[in-house]
Amino acid sequence: AQTVTQSQPEMSVQEAETVTLSCTYDTSESDYYLFWYKQPPSRQMILVIRQEAYKQQNATENRFSVNFQKAAKSFSLKISDSQLGDAAMYFCAYRIVGQFYFGTGTSLTVIP
Amino acid sequence: KAGVTQTPRYLIKTRGQQVTLSCSPISGHRSVSWYQQTPGQGLQFLFEYFSETQRNKGNFPGRFSGRQFSNSRSEMNVSTLELGDSALYLCASSLGQVPGTGELFFGEGSRLTVL
Repeated sequence: AQTVTQSQPEMSVQEAETVTLSCTYDTSESDYYLFWYKQPPSRQMILVIRQEAYKQQNATENRFSVNFQKAAKSFSLKISDSQLGDAAMYFCAYRIVGQFYFGTGTSLTVIP
Repeated sequence: KAGVTQTPRYLIKTRGQQVTLSCSPISGHRSVSWYQQTPGQGLQFLFEYFSETQRNKGNFPGRFSGRQFSNSRSEMNVSTLELGDSALYLCASSLGQVPGTGELFFGEGSRLTVL
């Protein structure tokens, strides 16, 4: 079965500090894509960052970076210099062929 | 370019009724997928349509159905509503090519409350 586990239902971070959200997944496939999506309160979900499983180099998008450990099936998201606008629900997901599998989400609070 | 549009945004139904939700994808996107989002359950995949054909289906009862039109717009229908169907229903579109990076673009969702 394809599963995605986000073990931290809630996290908080002080503004300007760094926070890491964890994600593990289970798949027997070797070719897939990994994503972190952000869902601000009452707003639509948007893509934060994407990682191709065949790439060893960790993806980076400005203040957002990932730590991709393929053997461990781990895909954590690091947010540096946290801002108030980063407060949202974060979902980890992976895509195999045409289907996406999502985790249950981590609610991130940013403390001013 | 307009984003993914879902209608209605909010609706209230009673048990036993049926509901139809609509989704207009981003222009040029041929894949539309539907997800049910509930607190603690995350996003659960309902189904995906590509070029008017259901390409993937999640583990939901037959009361949940969908279709896609030739202009890629999609509808999902839930019949004989149950209290547990209360959720945010998200539609997402993508170019749909396989394989591909396949980024999903989400709508704002339709929040269904069943009383």
